[in-house]
This record gives sequence, C-alpha cells and structure tokens, in this order.
Amino acid sequence: GENVEQHPSTLSVQEGDSAVIKCTYSDSASNYFPWYKQELGKRPQLIIDIRSNVGEKKDQRIAVTLNKTAKHFSLHITETQPEDSAVYFCAARPQTSYDKVIFGPGTSLSVIP
Amino acid sequence: DTGVSQDPRHKITKRGQNVTFRCDPISEHNRLYWYRQTLGQGPEFLTYFQNEAQLEKSRLLSDRFSAERPKGSFSTLEIQRTEQGDSAMYLCASSRPAGEQYFGPGTRLTVT
Repeated sequence: GENVEQHPSTLSVQEGDSAVIKCTYSDSASNYFPWYKQELGKRPQLIIDIRSNVGEKKDQRIAVTLNKTAKHFSLHITETQPEDSAVYFCAARPQTSYDKVIFGPGTSLSVIP
Repeated sequence: DTGVSQDPRHKITKRGQNVTFRCDPISEHNRLYWYRQTLGQGPEFLTYFQNEAQLEKSRLLSDRFSAERPKGSFSTLEIQRTEQGDSAMYLCASSRPAGEQYFGPGTRLTVT
C-alpha cells in the first residue's frame, strides 16, 4: 500500500523567511496530493492540493511542486507570518483507493516573530 | 453550521467499556471517512463509506471496531471492550466524489 514520508518533522523560521516541507510517496499510481494545516486543538484543513497531471500550483504565499518521476512533492510558504505556525500534513491518494488519502507524519512549523 | 460535526467532543471511559461516536457529514457529501489520530502523528485511515455502503476497512481496525452509516447520512463508530491503546482523536471527514475532504472537530477518547 501507499506510504508517505515527510521531512523535516519540526521547522523553525523567522517571520518573513520561506519554509519548505518535503514529502515522498511510494505508490506510483497515486494521482492526488493534498496538503492540510492543523492548528493546535483544531481540525485539519486543506490549504492546497495538486493532481498528477500538474507540476506546480500556487495560491498567494503557498505553492506546491510535484515530481512524479522521483515520487516527491513539496510545500513552499513564502513571507511566513506567525499565523502560519501549525502542523502541516502532506497526503497522497492511491488511484484505486475510493478517494481515501494516506497522510504523512506531519511537520510542526514555528514562525518566530 | 453546515460543516462536519461530531459528537461527543470528548469521551473518558474505563477499559473494557463500549463507546459509540457519531459523525454528521456535510449534507450533500456521499462519501464519509473515519480516521484515527494520535499525538504527533498524521490521521490514519480506518474506514470509508459511499452512501450507506462500507467500501473499505483498514487492517488497523480490529474486530472490536464497527462502523455504520445506515441511511447514507450520519455515521457511527463503535469500539467494544476498549483498551488503553484505543486512546486517540477520532476524526470524521466527508467529501463529494474525488473532492476535497472536510474534517470534523474530532472526538477525543481517553481510556483509563
């Protein structure tokens, strides 16, 4: 089955700097890659997603890149703000999965004012 | 509030007792998922419904766990003979086909 790995597990950046979180997946048939943000004590919320027919997607300060050959995808946050502090999860959806997604272990991002 | 709701939000139970959680999805979503999340980990898939049909069940789900979605709307997750290892946050999510999954606030289970 699909396995998603995520690095780093913790990340601290100064406000205004960029943050990059990297994920790898094992199932080459996976075709959908969402990213979720989970603030302390709250539910995971989708912040951006990318499908396998696209190499890059951007939404304001957030961008995601996908390298299908390497089975690797990354989240980039530019001009970080304290409210970006949260746990970020990458995920992958295997093609035959009935829409379930497999989550990575998460990255705890701290933005220092 | 038209989001996914879960009840109860917190449950403390003694080992060996049975517990049942409820999830109310977004009304137009025919797909419903249950996940389990422990501290410092990502959500782990437990089971999935399309309308009232349970289409997939994780090998993580022992025989003590059962889930239903009898009318294709709300769902229940029951854990029988709870163990301390069952302590976790139980998350429900719903979606349209191939759509974004919207999560509920979760039910935090503590087994003493």
